[in-house]
Amino acid sequence: EPEVTQTPSHQVTQMGQEVILRCVPISNHLYFYWYRQILGQKVEFLVSFYNNEISEKSEIFDDQFSVERPDGSNFTLKIRSTKLEDSAMYFCASILESGTPDTQYFGPGTRLTVL
Amino acid sequence: AQSVTQLGSHVSVSEGALVLLRCNYSSSVPPYLFWYVQYPNQGLQLLLKYTSAATLVKGINGFEAEFKKSETSFHLTKPSAHMSDAAEYLCAVSERGSNYKLTFGKGTLLTVNP
Repeated sequence: EPEVTQTPSHQVTQMGQEVILRCVPISNHLYFYWYRQILGQKVEFLVSFYNNEISEKSEIFDDQFSVERPDGSNFTLKIRSTKLEDSAMYFCASILESGTPDTQYFGPGTRLTVL
Repeated sequence: AQSVTQLGSHVSVSEGALVLLRCNYSSSVPPYLFWYVQYPNQGLQLLLKYTSAATLVKGINGFEAEFKKSETSFHLTKPSAHMSDAAEYLCAVSERGSNYKLTFGKGTLLTVNP
């Protein structure tokens, strides 16, 4: 069964450093999402992406965050200057199409630790 | 704005007992509702979803949930718990016109005792 993959599984970085989290969505999917889950808190929506542009973003997704689909297969989340509070599990998800309540398929997540 | 409340951050049952995990939602439009399961160090796996068809929805692994509009609830049940059901269960809502982004509850950790 096709699956969403994410790399790395765990990333440790120093505060102020840039990190790039990578996701490979299911190959024929068209809509992509990033969510994050701070330890002990809810899974929160960050951003949705369609047709090579952001379709919606949350208040969390400020100028420090960016997303890109550089080569038609990877979907990346960049944090330019990490803060301690960026420490969380980051999940990528994809769906085949919107316009219907399609199932979002989630990757296993990247645990980001900012020191 | 949509929101989800899951009553009980931790539910413990005996193997073979009924599982009941509670979820209440708030939505300004008819919602779509989802239950996901999360095993340690794994992603979220869809158990079942309500998309305005039948109010009683059957999912994988013997789980089902009933949409009750009057109670704004979407509780998850399973008649007989198995040890392999131990996991985190997340209820989520999405709305038309919201890019179908998911809004999650805080989750309920299910423990199954032998």
